[in-house]
Amino acid sequence: AQSVAQPEDQVNVAEGNPLTVKCTYSVSGNPYLFWYVQYPNRGLQFLLKYITGDNLVKGSYGFEAEFNKSQTSFHLKKPSALVSDSALYFCAVRDNGGSYIPTFGRGTSLIVHP
Amino acid sequence: DTAVSQTPKYLVTQMGNDKSIKCEQNLGHDTMYWYKQDSKKFLKIMFSYNNKELIINETVPNRFSPKSPDKAHLNLHINSLELGDSAVYFCASSQDRGQSQYFGPGTRLLVL
Repeated sequence: AQSVAQPEDQVNVAEGNPLTVKCTYSVSGNPYLFWYVQYPNRGLQFLLKYITGDNLVKGSYGFEAEFNKSQTSFHLKKPSALVSDSALYFCAVRDNGGSYIPTFGRGTSLIVHP
Repeated sequence: DTAVSQTPKYLVTQMGNDKSIKCEQNLGHDTMYWYKQDSKKFLKIMFSYNNKELIINETVPNRFSPKSPDKAHLNLHINSLELGDSAVYFCASSQDRGQSQYFGPGTRLLVL
C-alpha cells in the first residue's frame, strides 16, 4: 500500500523569503517521489523526482526537494520565493515494488505575497 | 508543438447524455492516464493504459470507458452523464510505467 500526505492546505510566504512545502509518504518498499505544480486553469507540470541517489534533488524553476528516509519525508523547498511561484503543489509517491500508478497528495496552495 | 492535447477544452451537457473526450500525445510515450480533479482539487486516477494493458480504478463507474486506437491516443467515453461527473478531466502520459508524467490542459465538464 502507498499513501502520501501534505499536511498544509495553504502556505503563505513573503517574496524573497525561503519556502517549504511539506510532504510525507508511506510505502512498503522503496519510494519513487514526485513534485508537480499546477497553475490556475492549467494542467499539472512536473517539477522534480527522487528515485535513488543523492537525497537532495534539484528541479525546475529553482526548486529542490530533500528525501529523508528516516522521517519518510520529501519536502519541497526554494531559497527565495517569487510571486509567480504562487500555485497549487502536489506531491506524489509510488512504491517501487507495487503498482506503477502514483498516489497524489491533496495539494498545497502556495501564496507568495509581494 | 503541444505535448499532450485534449479536446474539447470545455464541455457543457445535459444529464443522461453520452460524451467523449479525446487525448493525444506526441511525445512517443508508452503509458497514458486519465485523472479526475474535483472542485476541491483532489486528483483521482481513473485509468492507465500501457502496451494494451488497461488498469482500471475499481471505484470508477462502468459508465466511464477508455478507448485507445493507438499508442498516441487515449480517449474517454462517458455514458449517461450525471451531475456528479462535473469536474476537470486530465489526460497524462509518461515515457514508461511509473515515470514522471506530462499532463494535458484539462477538459472542464459541466453536467446540467
